[in-house]
Amino acid sequence: QSALTQPPSASGSPGQSVTISCTGTSSDVGSYKYVSWYQQHPGKAPKLMIYEVSERPSGVPDRFSGSKSGNTASLTVSGLQAEDEADYYCSSYAGSSNWVFGGGTKLTVL
Amino acid sequence: QVQLQESGPGLVKPSQTLSLTCTVSGGSISTGSYYWTWIRQPAGKGLEWIGRIYSSGSTNYNPSLKSRVTISVDTSKNQFSLKLTSVTAADTAVYYCARGVWAFGIWGQGTMVTVSS
Repeated sequence: QSALTQPPSASGSPGQSVTISCTGTSSDVGSYKYVSWYQQHPGKAPKLMIYEVSERPSGVPDRFSGSKSGNTASLTVSGLQAEDEADYYCSSYAGSSNWVFGGGTKLTVL
Repeated sequence: QVQLQESGPGLVKPSQTLSLTCTVSGGSISTGSYYWTWIRQPAGKGLEWIGRIYSSGSTNYNPSLKSRVTISVDTSKNQFSLKLTSVTAADTAVYYCARGVWAFGIWGQGTMVTVSS
């Protein structure tokens, strides 16, 4: 299985919206609803932000939203805030009880 | 609430076996339909799923690591463990344990393991 493809970086000004893509294949992202997104601040463990493509865990602001079209999933952060600056990783079920992650996207709030 | 804590040696020699333990607190490892997972992250790089175990002992491993990985569970100690054999410098990473079913909702803080002589 290969890693999912994410852009290395993304940026936006406070209050703006930014979308991060996550491209896989018909064997992972394209076949399952089990796409999740994680936020990681420097030196910290990842935090689940979105699961099952578009579901938000309790406590995650509704500024974070997820979607999927074909083999590409997306995370949108609306109303950017300084604390949103972090690395973001997507993950997908890849069948046969395997999981795959994306390479990560560094989000900068300008 | 449930918390996870990794423990184990921070330095392992090449060709030896890396052994880590994840201790679960705030809840029983046997309760609920959760999988207990190991994930690693080399410095400055992305996350890699290593494998997972159910409380019954059923396991699944990343195909690229399968020949070197063993994950086990000790329900009496509320712990699960990772063994990675024949390590090389490429196995140097922060190792995380996590809980989840279709996503990884709870993570440990991570433990850095360096492979070096």
